Amino acid sequence: AQSVAQPEDQVNVAEGNPLTVKCTYSVSGNPYLFWYVQYPNRGLQFLLKYITGDNLVKGSYGFEAEFNKSQTSFHLKKPSALVSDSALYFCAVSLNQAGTALIFGKGTTLSVSS
Amino acid sequence: GAVVSQHPSRVICKSGTSVKIECRSLDFQATTMFWYRQFPKKSLMLMATSNEGSKATYEQGVEKDKFLINHASLTLSTLTVTSAHPEDSSFYICSARGQGMNTEAFFGQGTRLTVV
Repeated sequence: AQSVAQPEDQVNVAEGNPLTVKCTYSVSGNPYLFWYVQYPNRGLQFLLKYITGDNLVKGSYGFEAEFNKSQTSFHLKKPSALVSDSALYFCAVSLNQAGTALIFGKGTTLSVSS
Repeated sequence: GAVVSQHPSRVICKSGTSVKIECRSLDFQATTMFWYRQFPKKSLMLMATSNEGSKATYEQGVEKDKFLINHASLTLSTLTVTSAHPEDSSFYICSARGQGMNTEAFFGQGTRLTVV
């Protein structure tokens, strides 16, 4: 069965420092992986996705994610964190079937201090 | 990206009443929409998959008679919480996705339901 794990409930970084939010996955077949961000009392906003091709995927707001097949990981990264990046981040995987829901990790709260 | 509009964003209702939440795909046709429930600082729990023109598919443990889903058109799905109880208070989010396995999902703004 497909699943996603986000091992950290919270990540704390200082503004200007690089950040990493971890995600590992378990899928059968080719993985389709996604990152979303959620601000308080709002829906989820799409950041980026990995389908195929380059392992380093660039997305919105300066975020990027690195797909590592051997480690079954898809960590979210940003070279220099901003206070406004503070939010709840979700990693998700798609089932290998059209028209199905994304399966989400439990989420990681990112807190960027000034 | 595509736009999914959810309404209302916030609703307070009395115990025993019903509340309807609408989810619209504004610039694309969504044959399938998804309804999630989110508890405070928790992940999204998939409640059901809404299929245009047919019955919704509910996840295990979700009461279909309590959470009525209707997907009457390619751009509108509704979730009705019937006979609401305080424990139904939560954040409900709808989502729509293209048919391809590699397409991202687009989310509504969410609805904060408070049952008093």
